[in-house]
Amino acid sequence: ELKVEQNPLFLSMQEGKNYTIYCNYSTTSDRLYWYRQDPGKSLESLFVLLSNGAVKQEGRLMASLDTKARLSTLHITAAVHDLSATYFCAVDGEETSGSRLTFGEGTQLTVNP
Amino acid sequence: DTGVSQDPRHKITKRGQNVTFRCDPISEHNRLYWYRQTLGQGPEFLTYFQNEAQLEKSRLLSDRFSAERPKGSFSTLEIQRTEQGDSAMYLCASSSLGRVPMRGAFFGQGTRLTVV
Repeated sequence: ELKVEQNPLFLSMQEGKNYTIYCNYSTTSDRLYWYRQDPGKSLESLFVLLSNGAVKQEGRLMASLDTKARLSTLHITAAVHDLSATYFCAVDGEETSGSRLTFGEGTQLTVNP
Repeated sequence: DTGVSQDPRHKITKRGQNVTFRCDPISEHNRLYWYRQTLGQGPEFLTYFQNEAQLEKSRLLSDRFSAERPKGSFSTLEIQRTEQGDSAMYLCASSSLGRVPMRGAFFGQGTRLTVV
């Protein structure tokens, strides 16, 4: 059974600081996704990482994928309050390619002024 | 097309009643997914359709749950004889088969079900 683990689950940081969220998964995978969810809202797709060594950046967020270590990171640079949200990584397992995503528990990020 | 649309947004029902939710995917998307999300957790996969065919169902989907996608367009998720444990956000998502994704599947706003 595919498992996806994120850490930390809760992250409180000050504006202007940098931090990294980690996502480990338990099996080989075709694709790794990062989503953002604001309270009471649906999920917004941030990145999809398709291969080993893939790196994607948008604004203050940068995601990377190491398929050998089965690890993805979401790096936050110079955080601002607007980044406060819950971030999920999700894996499209090789056995279920294109059919279902297995999500981590999410990292609840709070950026304080 | 403004995205994935779900109806209703909120539903409160008494235990034992049946409920039905609707999802309208992005029009050119041939894949449609249902997920369930409880407070503080990530979404859990329930089932998915490719066009009108239901191709996979999670073990989470008990016999009280049924989903349809007639004509490969909108989908409905019905829960019969609701239980308090069914209280959750039900999310619908859609995507296109055969295209290298630049983004993940597009999610709707969800239907929040409360069983009292």
